[in-house]
Amino acid sequence: AQSVSQHNHHVILSEAASLELGCNYSYGGTVNLFWYVQYPGQHLQLLLKYFSGDPLVKGIKGFEAEFIKSKFSFNLRKPSVQWSDTAEYFCAVNAGSSYKLIFGSGTRLLVRP
Amino acid sequence: DTAVSQTPKYLVTQMGNDKSIKCEQNLGHDTMYWYKQDSKKFLKIMFSYNNKELIINETVPNRFSPKSPDKAHLNLHINSLELGDSAVYFCASSHHQQRVAGTTDTQYFGPGTRLTVL
Repeated sequence: AQSVSQHNHHVILSEAASLELGCNYSYGGTVNLFWYVQYPGQHLQLLLKYFSGDPLVKGIKGFEAEFIKSKFSFNLRKPSVQWSDTAEYFCAVNAGSSYKLIFGSGTRLLVRP
Repeated sequence: DTAVSQTPKYLVTQMGNDKSIKCEQNLGHDTMYWYKQDSKKFLKIMFSYNNKELIINETVPNRFSPKSPDKAHLNLHINSLELGDSAVYFCASSHHQQRVAGTTDTQYFGPGTRLTVL
C-alpha cells in the first residue's frame, strides 16, 4: 500500500533560519507530489507540486522542493523562514492513475519572532 | 469568489443525531472528495465522486453516506453520530479529463467543517 512519511512532527525555528522538512513515500511507479500548508484555523492551500520535468520545484512564498526519485523523497525547503510561516505542512502523493491523494501525518512548524 | 465552499463551518450536535454537511465548487471540476482530519491533524480520504459517480469509498462506516446531485455538489450525510465522528471534514475538488497513468490534477480544498459530537 502507498504511504507517506513525514519524520519531523514538530519543528521550532527562529526567524531567518533555514527550513527543510522531510517527506518520503513508498510507491515504485510514477507519482505526483504535493506540499500543502494549513495556517492556524484555515483550510489547506497548495504550496507547490511536482508532476514531471525539473525535479526542483518552486512554489509560493519562497518555498521549493526537490524530488529525488532514487530516495523516494520530496523534501520542502525555504532559505529564510518568517513568523508568518507558522503552520502545519503536509506532504501528499498521488500514485499512477489513482484519484487518491495520500497525506503524510503533517509537520507543525513554529517560527519564533 | 469562493472556489470550494462548505456549510456549515461549525456543527455541534448530540450523539445519535443525523446531520449533513454540504459542499459546492465553482471551479468547473468533475471530481470531488471528502476528507476527515482528526484531532492529531491526520488527513484521510473518505469518498470521491467523478461526474456524480462514486469512485473512491474508503473503509468508512455506512453511517456516512455521500450524495452528489450534480458535478458541482457533494454532500455528506452522517447518521447516528458518535463521539469518534468529531473531526474537521474537508471537501476538495479537482479536474480529471482522462485517466492516464502519471497524470492528475491539483485538489483544491474547502474551508472545512468542524464537527463536534457531544
